[in-house]
Amino acid sequence: DQQVKQNSPSLSVQEGRISILNCDYTNSMFDYFLWYKKYPAEGPTFLISISSIKDKNEDGRFTVFLNKSAKHLSLHIVPSQPGDSAVYFCAASVIGWQGGKLIFGQGTELSVKP
Amino acid sequence: DTEVTQTPKHLVMGMTNKKSLKCEQHMGHRAMYWYKQKAKKPPELMFVYSYEKLSINESVPSRFSPECPNSSLLNLHLHALQPEDSALYLCASSSRGLAGDKNIQYFGAGTRLSVL
Repeated sequence: DQQVKQNSPSLSVQEGRISILNCDYTNSMFDYFLWYKKYPAEGPTFLISISSIKDKNEDGRFTVFLNKSAKHLSLHIVPSQPGDSAVYFCAASVIGWQGGKLIFGQGTELSVKP
Repeated sequence: DTEVTQTPKHLVMGMTNKKSLKCEQHMGHRAMYWYKQKAKKPPELMFVYSYEKLSINESVPSRFSPECPNSSLLNLHLHALQPEDSALYLCASSSRGLAGDKNIQYFGAGTRLSVL
C-alpha cells in the first residue's frame, strides 16, 4: 500500500523554464510534507516543507503548493538550472508523530538540459 | 552546519562476516535514524532512536542490530546478512524524534553495502 505516490519517474525540462514535480498521498492524517533532492552517491538533501495549515510555501526558486482536498502537492522550480538535475522525493508525515517517521514517494528524476 | 557523517562509504562483506556501520552528528540532535534504500526505490525507515532510546523498529530482521552509544553516535551492526540486504544504508538525524518544522531530518551520504 503506497501512501505517497510520485507517478512520474522522470521529467526533462529546458534550462530557464519551470519544473513541476507532482506528488499524491492517500492518508488523510498526513499534515506535514517535505521535498528532498538526491544526487547520485549522496544522501537526500532537504529542500522545502509545508504544513497543512498552509497551501503554499516559497523559498527562493522553490515553491511547494498543497491542495488538501485533492491530497496533492507539487514542487515548482523557477527558473530551472542544470544543477537542479537530481532525483526529487516527496515525503509525508504527521506533526507530532512519535519517531518523526517519514513516508517517501518513489522519486522523480529531473533532468534540466542547457 | 547540517552534516551527518557516515563511515565507511562502501562495504563489501560475505554472508558470514560481522561488520558495523557508523554515523555521527554534532548538531545536538536527539533523534537519529537508519534507512535502507534499494536502487530506484525510496528510503525505507528501519530504526529510530530518540534520546538514545530505541523508539521505532520497523520489524527489521535481527541480523541488523542498532546501537546508540551516545547522543552523537549511531551504529548499525551487521551479522549473517543475505545478498538481498545489499543496498544504500542512510543515517539521518533531527532535533527531536517528532515530525514538524523544527525537526527536519538531515541525511548522511550513506554506506553502499554489497553482500556476497
